[in-house]
Amino acid sequence: GQNIDQPTEMTATEGAIVQINCTYQTSGFNGLFWYQQHAGEAPTFLSYNVLDGLEEKGRFSSFLSRSKGYSYLLLKELQMKDSASYLCAAADSNYQLIWGAGTKLIIKP
Amino acid sequence: ETGVTQTPRHLVMGMTNKKSLKCEQHLGHNAMYWYKQSAKKPLELMFVYSLEERVENNSVPSRFSPECPNSSHLFLHLHTLQPEDSALYLCASSQEQGSGANVLTFGAGSRLTVL
Repeated sequence: GQNIDQPTEMTATEGAIVQINCTYQTSGFNGLFWYQQHAGEAPTFLSYNVLDGLEEKGRFSSFLSRSKGYSYLLLKELQMKDSASYLCAAADSNYQLIWGAGTKLIIKP
Repeated sequence: ETGVTQTPRHLVMGMTNKKSLKCEQHLGHNAMYWYKQSAKKPLELMFVYSLEERVENNSVPSRFSPECPNSSHLFLHLHTLQPEDSALYLCASSQEQGSGANVLTFGAGSRLTVL
């Protein structure tokens, strides 16, 4: 079956770095997405990886290893506003998105 | 402003009521989606429309009935719902359906409570 695993909840300190991991099993693969969702708000797109390696976008970076079925989202210089849920989703051979349950990130001062 | 607007934001209904959720996008996107989001569960895709034609119906009970009158509007008609249908219903749109970097733009959702 198709499956995405990511931690349910993580806690980090303001100013620090945190890495949110995601492992996936899909029938075929057409890329890995990360979305951010603040409580009561719409999920918003953060990143898309389809090739192996690291994509950097300001304080956020996303990494993909296709051979390992693994991705991570790296958040640097954490700010209180980064407290949110982070959703990992993989596109299968039909471009259907398989979603994880999300990782709730709590930032403490 | 996300570009995708959903109304109402909150809805409480009894099991015998009939109500509708509305979604509107003016991004020029050709595909629109309904998702169900329950606490601590992955997003569940319910329906997909591409150029106003339904292309996906993921075994959703018939008490949920979608309607896409044009490429900018999407409705979800609700009738005789069950308490387990209580959830956040998210609408999303994308430029195309079934392509590579198919980025979804989501609305803020309609929080549905069924009593």
